[in-house]
Amino acid sequence: QVHLVESGGGVVQPGGSLGLSCAASGFTFSNYPMHWVRQAPGKGLEWVAFIQYDGSLTYYSESVQGRFTISRDNSKNTLYLQMSSLRSDDTAVYYCVQEYSSRRPFEFWGQGTLVTVSS
Amino acid sequence: QSALTQPASVSASPGQSVTISCTGTSSDVVIYNVVSWYQQHPGKAPKVVIYEGTKRPSGISNRFSGSQSGNTASLTISGLQAEDEADYYCCAHAGSRLHWVFGGGTGLTVL
Repeated sequence: QVHLVESGGGVVQPGGSLGLSCAASGFTFSNYPMHWVRQAPGKGLEWVAFIQYDGSLTYYSESVQGRFTISRDNSKNTLYLQMSSLRSDDTAVYYCVQEYSSRRPFEFWGQGTLVTVSS
Repeated sequence: QSALTQPASVSASPGQSVTISCTGTSSDVVIYNVVSWYQQHPGKAPKVVIYEGTKRPSGISNRFSGSQSGNTASLTISGLQAEDEADYYCCAHAGSRLHWVFGGGTGLTVL
């Protein structure tokens, strides 16, 4: 059974940095691409970043390009999101999501971790 | 402003059917057959209910169905039950610039 547990959320000041982690279990992590998707309070879902199964390819939304970095450590079954130059509009619950296939991009979701950017 | 437009809300009575539409609104977003739909209850993570436009993951009720016509995808829920009350989001791949886009979401109320 796929299990994804995000951690690292918290309160950070504008302009600051924060790193999120996602511990994966119940599947062969190194075989699957992964995503981060976020949801601002009371708002809809927004795709943030993608990483290929072996880390060879990454994509970012225009809103985070150049500020966020997605990475993974397949030996530790862990996905990461390093966030810098944080802004108030980055405040959101951040979900770690497994991509089952290119045609099933957001198959299994973690429970999310809340990031609040505020002074 | 999302590149995928959904109605903000829909409502229907138990036992009835409801359809939620999802339309690509820019030239960047051409919906082929890779639209997926997600159900989200308050305070919970989203769950996929339809993928590839019309397919249901295992464990999803056959009351959920998907369809597509041109650049509009639709999710239909038949035989509405109280547990179907939730937010629903469509999602499509939008090419090499936008990558993946979600619709703005539709709140379903079961009256």
